[in-house]
Amino acid sequence: EAGVVQSPRYKIIEKKQPVAFWCNPISGHNTLYWYLQNLGQGPELLIRYENEEAVDDSQLPKDRFSAERLKGVDSTLKIQPAELGDSAVYLCASSPFRTERYHEQFFGPGTRLTVL
Amino acid sequence: TQLLEQSPQFLSIQEGENLTVYCNSSSVFSSLQWYRQEPGEGPVLLVTVVTGGEVKKLKRLTFQFGDARKDSSLHITAAQPGDTGLYLCAGGARGTYKYIFGTGTRLKVLA
Repeated sequence: EAGVVQSPRYKIIEKKQPVAFWCNPISGHNTLYWYLQNLGQGPELLIRYENEEAVDDSQLPKDRFSAERLKGVDSTLKIQPAELGDSAVYLCASSPFRTERYHEQFFGPGTRLTVL
Repeated sequence: TQLLEQSPQFLSIQEGENLTVYCNSSSVFSSLQWYRQEPGEGPVLLVTVVTGGEVKKLKRLTFQFGDARKDSSLHITAAQPGDTGLYLCAGGARGTYKYIFGTGTRLKVLA
């Protein structure tokens, strides 16, 4: 079974430029998450999708960040314009469960973004 | 605000030593997961604990969920260099679909 796929793995851009990250979850996983992770810290949720619906985007900085999951499968996260403080690893995860009891998630390798 | 505090934040030990990592919160969690993350990779799920007082063993790793489901611990016996990584606890707070990660414990096992 293929895991969560993310691309690109690395991205270097100058500040004020736009950038986009792509994620393809594990087949059959309805729930998709985007996280931001700073070095040595735990991931911080940006947005969670249940199929096509964004059910939790309370931590997404909506002035510059946007995300979509149009067909309920793959997803794109965009930053426009990027700022120096956006340098981090952006992780995508998916989960087959949608119950309160289980939240097991499967992560992709992440995209390391460097904003110069 | 729900928080998962992990301790210690950093741990450097010699191969063969034992260690325990703690994950604490003031909130009750419906389940808790432990992940290990290596440099350049995403976190990998190690275990899920659901029942208060539950103990699960995964080879040299022992995971325990507190009786009140507010805390958890990870014990590694006879640590090996391959155990090096960032250990993360994470959980879904009871009554919500919110899922949060702990602050992380960076473990280095020296050969």
